Amino acid sequence: KNQVEQSPQSLIILEGKNCTLQCNYTVSPFSNLRWYKQDTGRGPVSLTIMTFSENTKSNGRYTATLDADTKQSSLHITASQLSDSASYICVVSAAGAGSYQLTFGKGTKLSVIP
Amino acid sequence: KAGVTQTPRYLIKTRGQQVTLSCSPISGHRSVSWYQQTPGQGLQFLFEYFSETQRNKGNFPGRFSGRQFSNSRSEMNVSTLELGDSALYLCASSLDDGPSIQYFGAGTRLSVL
Repeated sequence: KNQVEQSPQSLIILEGKNCTLQCNYTVSPFSNLRWYKQDTGRGPVSLTIMTFSENTKSNGRYTATLDADTKQSSLHITASQLSDSASYICVVSAAGAGSYQLTFGKGTKLSVIP
Repeated sequence: KAGVTQTPRYLIKTRGQQVTLSCSPISGHRSVSWYQQTPGQGLQFLFEYFSETQRNKGNFPGRFSGRQFSNSRSEMNVSTLELGDSALYLCASSLDDGPSIQYFGAGTRLSVL
């Protein structure tokens, strides 16, 4: 069964600090992995998309890594800001014959405090 | 450039009724996907439409259906509503199907009483 596990479930950090969120998956055959940021009461915003051949992708202060061998991804946030407070969702896509299936993690809720 | 627009933003229905939600994608985007989000299950994929054709479907019962029009606007319909259908329904558009960046709307919050 395809699964995506995210850790930690929640995290509180001080403004200016760095943090790393984890995503482990058992999705096969792997197609791509996406990280989304979702502010409370709003729709998700795409941060990164990585395919099998990519192991790092950056979007400003956000850097995602992918290890396809261990089926792990991480999202590193540098110099956190109060506006980074949100839920971060990892989504893995499995490729099929002419279609794909998405498996979502439950998300990590990040709170950045002054 | 206008973003993804979902209407209505809030909706209250009773069990057994049906509901239609609307999504207008970003101009030029041809792919529209629908998702359900609940506190317990998180985000779940409903279906994706590309050029008026359903390309992918998640594991939801047949009460959930959708369609896409020639102008890429999409509608989602839920018939015979159940209490468990209460959720935030999100629509996302992208330029094409496959692994391209998706842009989400603010969602329609459906409450079934």
